Amino acid sequence: DTGVSQDPRHKITKRGQNVTFRCDPISEHNRLYWYRQTLGQGPEFLTYFQNEAQLEKSRLLSDRFSAERPKGSFSTLEIQRTEQGDSAMYLCAWGGNNQPQHFGDGTRLSIL
Amino acid sequence: QKEVEQNSGPLSVPEGAIASLNCTYSDRGSQSFFWYRQYSGKSPELIMSIYSNGDKEDGRFTAQLNKASQYVSLLIRDSQPSDSATYLCAVKGDSNYQLIWGAGTKLIIKP
Repeated sequence: DTGVSQDPRHKITKRGQNVTFRCDPISEHNRLYWYRQTLGQGPEFLTYFQNEAQLEKSRLLSDRFSAERPKGSFSTLEIQRTEQGDSAMYLCAWGGNNQPQHFGDGTRLSIL
Repeated sequence: QKEVEQNSGPLSVPEGAIASLNCTYSDRGSQSFFWYRQYSGKSPELIMSIYSNGDKEDGRFTAQLNKASQYVSLLIRDSQPSDSATYLCAVKGDSNYQLIWGAGTKLIIKP
């Protein structure tokens, strides 16, 4: 039990298409994070929610990336006009401020 | 720019030996330190958390923190082939919600 469920597990799409990923906390988690990870790198922070409020986001989310967490429950991450460089594992995590973060199984995105 | 540095490896260790993984960080204000294990194609899994100077032991794993020298290490005793994975170091500063991640060290345990 990872504490969050991510859907889909794998997504293959053509360049230029829009994609949306979903993260469902299994139980109530106030804090929810999105990361992106490419091969050979550590996770790269994308954004953070506390309940429904998006409190912090990287510069990546100012353009083609957007995230929401309506009602403070599930969260979605959308990528518009996908590019080859968007191919990565997209990870959702929960955890406390100074406590560890725990990851879901991730969504692997492949751009053709 | 806050950074976390790890040797990318691979680090090859014989089965049954001690594996030693190291991580250095740049932010002196960092408060919380975490080690994650990641198998190929899987998501990171928390192994250890450490918050104060010294050693913290959990089974075959020992985390060591030295804030003055700004490094944190992970020792794995009696290494097993199942320990073969990439080990990620993550550091939490005191000023925001982010974890700063190293790129990971690939560990290979040879039977």
